[in-house]
Amino acid sequence: GAGVSQSPSNKVTEKGKDVELRCDPISGHTALYWYRQSLGQGLEFLIYFQGNSAPDKSGLPSDRFSAERTGGSVSTLTIQRTQQEDSAVYLCASSFSGRGYGYTFGSGTRLTVV
Amino acid sequence: DQQVKQNSPSLSVQEGRISILNCDYTNSMFDYFLWYKKYPAEGPTFLISISSIKDKNEDGRFTVFLNKSAKHLSLHIVPSQPGDSAVYFCAAVEASGSRLTFGEGTQLTVNP
Repeated sequence: GAGVSQSPSNKVTEKGKDVELRCDPISGHTALYWYRQSLGQGLEFLIYFQGNSAPDKSGLPSDRFSAERTGGSVSTLTIQRTQQEDSAVYLCASSFSGRGYGYTFGSGTRLTVV
Repeated sequence: DQQVKQNSPSLSVQEGRISILNCDYTNSMFDYFLWYKKYPAEGPTFLISISSIKDKNEDGRFTVFLNKSAKHLSLHIVPSQPGDSAVYFCAAVEASGSRLTFGEGTQLTVNP
């Protein structure tokens, strides 16, 4: 597709369950980012992948969060043992340069932990 | 440590008037600044940007001003239109950096 695709668009899960969020970046974009937006908050950086380099995981809030990017394309963000404070919109973005310019965002996954 | 701050969570203006959205930053290493616009249930979309070597960049109805000494930037929209109603995020990146740091966002409402 032409844009960044995220799935699912909405996810309701019970506290304590694991969830996986998927991001399909724009073809050819070497950089991929995950952000989240909690209610009333700005966009919080989570993790950044650039090509074959080791990812920048400095924004992950706890060890319950992990992400991988297979084959330099699709990325999966996994949250284990979800907590209510994990409820947020999780946004994925990709860019060609990895410089921070020209992010293209997906529509996000709205995660609700009940 | 909030390095990019948008102190106004909301702004309401009349159609045809000017909208001014403000953003302050604390990190002197930021050298490129961007504004994103977000509609409900959609991802943010890029609007306009400015390099630290400039103090103004204009694109149609949108102008971004940068005051480096004050570590302040602003987005002017004139004339404002109802379709401009959205959340506007200010973002910044360091010269050596690869990720954007975002502000909290300002909800702009343009009333017909």
